[in-house]
Amino acid sequence: QITLKESGPQVMKPTQTLTLTCTFSGFSLTTGGVGVGWIRQPPGKALQWLGIIYWDDDKRYSPSVQRRLTITKGTSKNQVVLTMINMDPVDTATYYCVHTRRGFGAFDMWGQGTMVTVSS
Amino acid sequence: SYVLTQSPSVSVAPGQTARVTCGGNNIATKNVHWYRQKPGQAPVLVLYNDSDRPSGIPERFSGSSSGNTATLTISRVAAGDEADYYCQVWDDNSDRPVFGGGAKLTVL
Repeated sequence: QITLKESGPQVMKPTQTLTLTCTFSGFSLTTGGVGVGWIRQPPGKALQWLGIIYWDDDKRYSPSVQRRLTITKGTSKNQVVLTMINMDPVDTATYYCVHTRRGFGAFDMWGQGTMVTVSS
Repeated sequence: SYVLTQSPSVSVAPGQTARVTCGGNNIATKNVHWYRQKPGQAPVLVLYNDSDRPSGIPERFSGSSSGNTATLTISRVAAGDEADYYCQVWDDNSDRPVFGGGAKLTVL
């Protein structure tokens, strides 16, 4: 059974750096094809894909956040870390981590999400 | 970049059939995936590759794709189907996923 859970700050100030951790179980990020991605959703708005990291450390980022976003594997084998610099109030959103497989194209398991509010 | 367009809202009476559409250029050539998001919850994959159902998704959920439109069909709609529905494809040109803007299904 695959599970994912996001953790990190709930409130932060503009210009600060956001670090979110996705802790997962039920799969390994060393298995060929596996990917962990991040998707966010501003309040009342649509889903926005942010980026993804694959088992082989290949990464893809959304052009809209590419200059500010880094996704890495965590120090623990079952973690993925999202780092976004220079946070702004428009980055206020619920952030989800998701499981996928290279070539599958869909996100078949989602974390519960974590709400991050950016406010001065 | 590839764009997916969804009508913002769909309304249907209980017991009837709801159709949620997703428009995109030659979308029939892509694998379309659908997610259901109930209020306050994370999205859940309900269809993948146009019409395949993950384990646990009832047969009432079906999908099709032709030309520039993909359709999620929900038969025998019940109040519990009220949710936002998002379509998604993988844009092979950019090697990145694309989401539609979502459609709110209201059960009258």
